[in-house]
Amino acid sequence: EIVLTQSPGTLSFSAGETATLSCRASQSVSSIYLAWYQQKPGQAPRLLIYGTSSRATGVPDRFSGSLSGTDFTLTITRLEPEDFAFYYCQHYGSSCSFGQGTKLEIK
Amino acid sequence: QVQLQQSGPGLVKPSQTLSLTCAISGDNVSNNSATWNWIRLSPSRGLEWLGRTYHRSKWYSDYAVSVKSRITINPDTSKNQFSLQLNSVTPEDTAVYFCARDTFVLFERLYYYYGMDVWGQGTAVTVSS
Repeated sequence: EIVLTQSPGTLSFSAGETATLSCRASQSVSSIYLAWYQQKPGQAPRLLIYGTSSRATGVPDRFSGSLSGTDFTLTITRLEPEDFAFYYCQHYGSSCSFGQGTKLEIK
Repeated sequence: QVQLQQSGPGLVKPSQTLSLTCAISGDNVSNNSATWNWIRLSPSRGLEWLGRTYHRSKWYSDYAVSVKSRITINPDTSKNQFSLQLNSVTPEDTAVYFCARDTFVLFERLYYYYGMDVWGQGTAVTVSS
């Protein structure tokens, strides 16, 4: 079973800044099976990124995903108040797994 | 527009069975380019994938190791829905439960993953006597 480790657990930024969230897999995974989700209290998770770097329908271009070595990254530029939430990476395979999440909070 | 509508009780007694249903509109549970998942969210564990069912010439179900001995996910083609049964629940199973659809696109003999793009509204389940 693939374990996804997200870091850091909490990030604090001000609106307008750029946040970078990291997700590392316990073993090599195909980039086409890595996705990112945003989750706000009382709401269902929302798909942001699939295939490591493709934005889902309706997701602003402030959100971008990439792979560097073994680290998957979600970058959010020009942070807006509605971006402060929990973010999860997810891998699809013979079994699915989510990272433990990163909380993005307002500084 | 694809929608998933969850139903089921919000309170289950310890040792009993948690049962939830996810009704699909705008898609079909037999869609060969989709899988149908159950996921739960709790403060202590974040998002936890529980399992899925899908049709690829025949029906399959896959389950997370953490719940494999207690879980069953079944499709119901007559009602276009799928269900979750989790047996022998404890307070640790208290969480918000979601159903969700994965989609794939076949291109040059490879299935490309398009993520969990549609989610149910969530059902808060408390395990308590």
